[in-house]
Amino acid sequence: RKEVEQDPGPFNVPEGATVAFNCTYSNSASQSFFWYRQDCRKEPKLLMSVYSSGNEDGRFTAQLNRASQYISLLIRDSKLSDSATYLCAVNTRGGADGLTFGKGTHLIIQP
Amino acid sequence: DGGITQSPKYLFRKEGQNVTLSCEQNLNHDAMYWYRQDPGQGLRLIYYSQIVNDFQKGDIAEGYSVSREKKESFPLTVTSAQKNPTAFYLCASSAGTGSYEQYFGPGTRLTVT
Repeated sequence: RKEVEQDPGPFNVPEGATVAFNCTYSNSASQSFFWYRQDCRKEPKLLMSVYSSGNEDGRFTAQLNRASQYISLLIRDSKLSDSATYLCAVNTRGGADGLTFGKGTHLIIQP
Repeated sequence: DGGITQSPKYLFRKEGQNVTLSCEQNLNHDAMYWYRQDPGQGLRLIYYSQIVNDFQKGDIAEGYSVSREKKESFPLTVTSAQKNPTAFYLCASSAGTGSYEQYFGPGTRLTVT
């Protein structure tokens, strides 16, 4: 099993719809979890940190399920500008030792 | 403006040459990282440094070297020993202890022919 896995998509979603995707991780000792957004040929930008109690920022909600070892990202009322690749990142090493990234989920919002 | 800068944005080199990629941050972050990204792939950790004058190998350190002589700077050298150096190289930093969110620079696209 890979350390961090994501469905690569693409997810084709109509504007205004709600979309959700998951990311599974293999190391049960992982402590920190993040979602990044990456536009084509750009650097990843931090979207959300994922806390044990879940985290919400406007239209975006992230949740952690430790029992099943996955994190999720929910986007409500999707906009055309949400089209991007969403990378899941997990601190599998502990401390400030670097993140392990999934390969990303490609999201396309259609008008 | 606070942030992370990487230069150059694009770099072309001939096979067999060493090349050094620059990464500077003015966020006063303790920890810095280097990742590479290949098309359709996630980021893979090359090296990281949690403090000045100290650094550790990541998952794919072979063929690379780094230094951390100043808190603000973490240059990466891609040596001729790296078999597949063409990639998108991303530098990141984080505050360190207790705060592990990483923030990325704009990246350097290296092409070796």
